[in-house]
Amino acid sequence: IQLTQSPSSLSASVGDRVTITCRASQGIKNYLAWLQLKPGKAPKSLIYAASILQSGVPSKFSGSGSGTEFTLTIDSLQPEDFATYYCQQYNSYPLTFGGGTKVEIK
Amino acid sequence: EVRLVESGGVVVQPGGSLRLSCATSGFTFDDYTMHWVRQAPGKGLEWVSFITWDGDATFYADSVKGRFAISRDISKNSLYLEMNSLTIEDTAFYYCAKVRVQMTTIDAFDFWGQGTLVTVSS
Repeated sequence: IQLTQSPSSLSASVGDRVTITCRASQGIKNYLAWLQLKPGKAPKSLIYAASILQSGVPSKFSGSGSGTEFTLTIDSLQPEDFATYYCQQYNSYPLTFGGGTKVEIK
Repeated sequence: EVRLVESGGVVVQPGGSLRLSCATSGFTFDDYTMHWVRQAPGKGLEWVSFITWDGDATFYADSVKGRFAISRDISKNSLYLEMNSLTIEDTAFYYCAKVRVQMTTIDAFDFWGQGTLVTVSS
């Protein structure tokens, strides 16, 4: 299953709201997760089942979608949110990831 | 507190072998399926392998099948990845990851380690 993320990068300011899209090549129900990666740090799981926040993840992060179209929205961007975000499907093996979206400071 | 700590990453020559380890704590290790995921420098994430909570089932990405072997030692709460016939394309940070739900074969990850760097170079 191929996952296509867009955009591949974006520039935003502190306080902005950003939305990232992930499209699956075939239906994956809601078996989609969102991850945050920062250099030198352990990847952080943000969302599973397309819209459920992992424990401890702030509500500024939200996810939606099912089937083949999914979105991750980050409200009120803060400096610690500038990172690369990946979607990942766990509907079937092999597990696959989107190409990533790098969120940079404008 | 759940902790996953990878080790074993070094510089190795093409054709060489390496064993990565992932020491875990903070959860009942033998209740959870575990995974290895890698990220080549400047590239995206690639799933590598999983092993079920009981060690009865393993599965590999086509890119590593026949060369890598995943295993676990319940007595040491540790996960391993034996890597053979390494190529330059295997250069990457290797992460171990834990799934959310006990005794499931496929599920979302909830915790990851910080990774260990494997560099394949002559």
